Amino acid sequence: EAAVTQSPRNKVAVTGGKVTLSCNQTNNHNNMYWYRQDTGHGLRLIHYSYGAGSTEKGDIPDGYKASRPSQENFSLILELATPSQTSVYFCASGDRLGALQDTQYFGPGTRLLVL
Amino acid sequence: QQKVQQSPESLSVPEGGMASFNCTSSDRNFQYFWWYRQHSGEGPKALMSIFSDGDKKEGRFTAHLNKASLHVSLHIRDSQPSDSALYFCAASETGGADRLTFGKGTQLIIQP
Repeated sequence: EAAVTQSPRNKVAVTGGKVTLSCNQTNNHNNMYWYRQDTGHGLRLIHYSYGAGSTEKGDIPDGYKASRPSQENFSLILELATPSQTSVYFCASGDRLGALQDTQYFGPGTRLLVL
Repeated sequence: QQKVQQSPESLSVPEGGMASFNCTSSDRNFQYFWWYRQHSGEGPKALMSIFSDGDKKEGRFTAHLNKASLHVSLHIRDSQPSDSALYFCAASETGGADRLTFGKGTQLIIQP
């Protein structure tokens, strides 16, 4: 099964500080995604990437940047963290092959608290 | 407006019973659907996908899709305590699992 890891697993940040969340996948998937999960909202797509060097805006990109330096790694960057960005963040990877078995594989999540 | 709507918000089912979830899309571009399950403290994990009208069965899980009404359902028979989790419906415009839009989820509790 696909392996996606995230670091850190828990993070406390101060308002106005810079936060970087990291994601690594070892399955050579082309696509990677960043979501946030909040009670009452489900999972919402922040940024995604189709390969090294590419990033695309998702549904809620404001206040976030993304970086895909390699096939395996995808980072989410909060340049100026705000309390409203307190959430659980999930990274996922997958391939867009158009096949029925296509799916996204999720990491274990990072719990971020911005004070 | 939420493009993928799920009901109910929560569900309690006795062990061995049938659990049923509903999902409706308000966007006709969404033609491909997935069900994901998330246990507490973990990331979501795909249960099954359904792209064609009708039923799709995998073990104790059965999904049903009606493309005309953009309604998809999931049924779990012989529910087990390990089925207690948050269940998400997700939809996409493409056949690949790209740019998924998730519903808010249904919390399932299995009563021993």
